[in-house]
Amino acid sequence: QLQLQESGPGLVKPSETLSLTCTVSGGSISSSSYYWGWIRQPPGKGLEWIGSIYYSGSTYYNPSLKSRVTISVDTSKNQFSLKLSSVTAADTAVYYCARHPPSITGTTTPLVDPWGQGTLVTVSS
Amino acid sequence: EIVMTQSPATLSVSPGERATLSCRASQSVSSNLAWYQQKPGQAPRLLIYGASTRATGIPARFSGSGSGTEFTLTISSLQSEDFAVYYCQQYNNWPGTFGQGTKLEIK
Repeated sequence: QLQLQESGPGLVKPSETLSLTCTVSGGSISSSSYYWGWIRQPPGKGLEWIGSIYYSGSTYYNPSLKSRVTISVDTSKNQFSLKLSSVTAADTAVYYCARHPPSITGTTTPLVDPWGQGTLVTVSS
Repeated sequence: EIVMTQSPATLSVSPGERATLSCRASQSVSSNLAWYQQKPGQAPRLLIYGASTRATGIPARFSGSGSGTEFTLTISSLQSEDFAVYYCQQYNNWPGTFGQGTKLEIK
């Protein structure tokens, strides 16, 4: 059974860079047609997609965050990572990593399944 | 970017009754619509994809319908474990935008 686990600091200072890693187990991050993504949820609020990456390095980013986001993949470690620069209190959220399954025709999609358990990142001095 | 709008924001229903949740897309997403359930302190989990196909292990009391821009999630007989927040998501285009959620609470 595929599992995803987020890791990284739970506290980041304003103006610094938030860095998280997602480790995939029970399956290969190099599987054809699967994108891997990051989604966040501020406390008490809804879900916001951050960005996603293919094992080849191809990416999609949320336009509202694109200037501050970098997502990378390390196939040798079966991991992918998120960097979000110049953080503010508005970036405080639970950050989820996730897999995006393809459609039945093999087209890549932003459907999400499964999700990691999530990790709370607080931005505060 | 496709905007997803869910209604109502909060729905109060008694256990054993039926719940109907709505989701509207700002433009057609064909049948590329998913529903997720989120319980407090947990990650969302996929309930429905393709507008009407239940994900693995999802009970038959959950059903989805619709296509284009109008979608519905129906829970036929509410169990205590069904009270949660439900999100719809279109995955017809990147980015896969989410609705703001419907909180299903016990009446």
